[in-house]
Amino acid sequence: SQKIEQNSEALNIQEGKTATLTCNYTNYSPAYLQWYRQDPGRGPVFLLLIRENEKEKRKERLKVTFDTTLKQSLFHITASQPADSATYLCALDLAGGGNKLTFGTGTQLKVEL
Amino acid sequence: DGGITQSPKYLFRKEGQNVTLSCEQNLNHDAMYWYRQDPGQGLRLIYYSQIVNDFQKGDIAEGYSVSREKKESFPLTVTSAQKNPTAFYLCASVLSSRGTNEKLFFGSGTQLSVL
Repeated sequence: SQKIEQNSEALNIQEGKTATLTCNYTNYSPAYLQWYRQDPGRGPVFLLLIRENEKEKRKERLKVTFDTTLKQSLFHITASQPADSATYLCALDLAGGGNKLTFGTGTQLKVEL
Repeated sequence: DGGITQSPKYLFRKEGQNVTLSCEQNLNHDAMYWYRQDPGQGLRLIYYSQIVNDFQKGDIAEGYSVSREKKESFPLTVTSAQKNPTAFYLCASVLSSRGTNEKLFFGSGTQLSVL
């Protein structure tokens, strides 16, 4: 069955370091992958989208890579700050069109002073 | 400001009762979605609608119903047939369901609990 995996354990890092989150998927070749941020009790907020023909995408302190051979996306936050603490979700259109996204379970990031 | 409004923020359901969650958007988006979020399970798609007066079942539609009579509104009814309704419900919209790289806009969610 189609599956999206994100690290279920929380990631704790020190302020100023680079946080790296992983999203792995199986049994499908999505045309694109999205990353969202979710704060407690709130809806997810879109961060970045990367297409299958793009290896890397950047937005300010954020960087996303997409390796379709490994079926993996890495999400990096450089110079992390306590305000970056949240849960980060990856999402793919596993159904092949129509923007019917399937989400991973998310990884909670905690940035400590 | 444009956005998606979900109400109420918190809702309590008695056994055997149907409850309706509201979702309104003023973004002029074509497609709308309902997701359910449980701890450790991520978001699961309940129903989605690509156009007014049309909607499709998602992965976990049993025990739920929806309507799409207006472009801006997509209410979700949790029926008494849904035996485990306690969850965080999220409504989302996208400009066009026919695009392949559209980002979802989410509401702030409704926490439903069973009394």
